[in-house]
Amino acid sequence: DQQVKQNSPSLSVQEGRISILNCDYTNSMFDYFLWYKKYPAEGPTFLISISSIKDKNEDGRFTVFLNKSAKHLSLHIVPSQPGDSAVYFCAASENTGTASKLTFGTGTRLQVTL
Amino acid sequence: NAGVMQNPRHLVRRRGQEARLRCSPMKGHSHVYWYRQLPEEGLKFMVYLQKENIIDESGMPKERFSAEFPKEGPSILRIQQVVRGDSAAYFCASSPRQLLNTEAFFGQGTRLTVV
Repeated sequence: DQQVKQNSPSLSVQEGRISILNCDYTNSMFDYFLWYKKYPAEGPTFLISISSIKDKNEDGRFTVFLNKSAKHLSLHIVPSQPGDSAVYFCAASENTGTASKLTFGTGTRLQVTL
Repeated sequence: NAGVMQNPRHLVRRRGQEARLRCSPMKGHSHVYWYRQLPEEGLKFMVYLQKENIIDESGMPKERFSAEFPKEGPSILRIQQVVRGDSAAYFCASSPRQLLNTEAFFGQGTRLTVV
């Protein structure tokens, strides 16, 4: 039962262009969404997050959009840089009151080409 | 995320042996989470611990797996009688309080290979 889905396993974008990574979820109890970036042989690094009460959050080159009715979120990176090449994981959190744990998608491998 | 220390980075065990994975959270963090990443999959939650307490172990297999976070020392994830299917990357994350959100920092992971 994959509650967080990233249907594109890979994405290739030219340097300077916009990268759009998509994520869908099925659990309507999720109230916080995060994007993590992961390089090979390293742990995930937090990138940006959004609460379910918002529909957009921006931090520098990174913007996350949330469409609650469609249970869809996306991460926009503009302009894309070669150093952005990594695996991006979408994650969601459901605050149950006793513990808050993350449910991750399977990741999208972004390659930014010169 | 260099503050969360996991060791060893790589661990090779034969089937039937025990694996012990260690996680030292960032200074001041009292909440530890363990995740497992199987090949070609996302990270899956295993267990959430505070000092001397297991808060949520809903993602932990019922047999062979155990976790602790003693008053002193690192958190330990223990896998007894390992099988090939246990081969994965195991990540630890820590946070200063319950809500994970932006304050969770991941370690570099331990890659367990069962031969």
